[in-house]
Amino acid sequence: ELKVEQNPLFLSMQEGKNYTIYCNYSTTSDRLYWYRQDPGKSLESLFVLLSNGAVKQEGRLMASLDTKARLSTLHITAAVHDLSATYFCAVYGGSQGNLIFGKGTKLSVKP
Amino acid sequence: KAGVTQTPRYLIKTRGQQVTLSCSPISGHRSVSWYQQTPGQGLQFLFEYFSETQRNKGNFPGRFSGRQFSNSRSEMNVSTLELGDSALYLCASSLRPTRVTSGRNDEQFFGPGTRLTVL
Repeated sequence: ELKVEQNPLFLSMQEGKNYTIYCNYSTTSDRLYWYRQDPGKSLESLFVLLSNGAVKQEGRLMASLDTKARLSTLHITAAVHDLSATYFCAVYGGSQGNLIFGKGTKLSVKP
Repeated sequence: KAGVTQTPRYLIKTRGQQVTLSCSPISGHRSVSWYQQTPGQGLQFLFEYFSETQRNKGNFPGRFSGRQFSNSRSEMNVSTLELGDSALYLCASSLRPTRVTSGRNDEQFFGPGTRLTVL
């Protein structure tokens, strides 16, 4: 059964600092998604990673995928308060071919 | 292009009642998936519909059911509500149904959710 693990689950950062969120998954999958969720809100799609070595960047966020290591990273550069949210990675591959989510990383950026 | 819409946005029910939630996908999207989000269990897949047929179902009891109409709108129903059914129910739409190894972009776009509280 596919498992998706994120770490850390909680991350408190100071503005201006860099950090990385890790997403490991347990079985082969050919694509991975990153979503952002603000409190009480729905999920906003951030990145779609479709192949080994894929790297995508949007503003201060950069995501990469290593399918051989079954690892994706979400790197935050020079964090700002607006990035405070919960970030989820998700992979297709459940027993029904559905999307399996990690538990999420709650990011808090403090001035 | 309008996004995924869900109604109602908030709902309060009591144990034993039943509830129906509605989801309208993005225009042109024919696949609709439902997820339950709780603080303890996180995001869990409920079911997926494509062309009015249930393609996949997650590990939820039979009290949870759904359907899809010819215009791709979907409803989910929960009967005999329990306290543990309190959750945010999210609907997501995509152009194509999900595949495990297709390599295609079956990106799902999520609606705002329905917050269900069971008292």
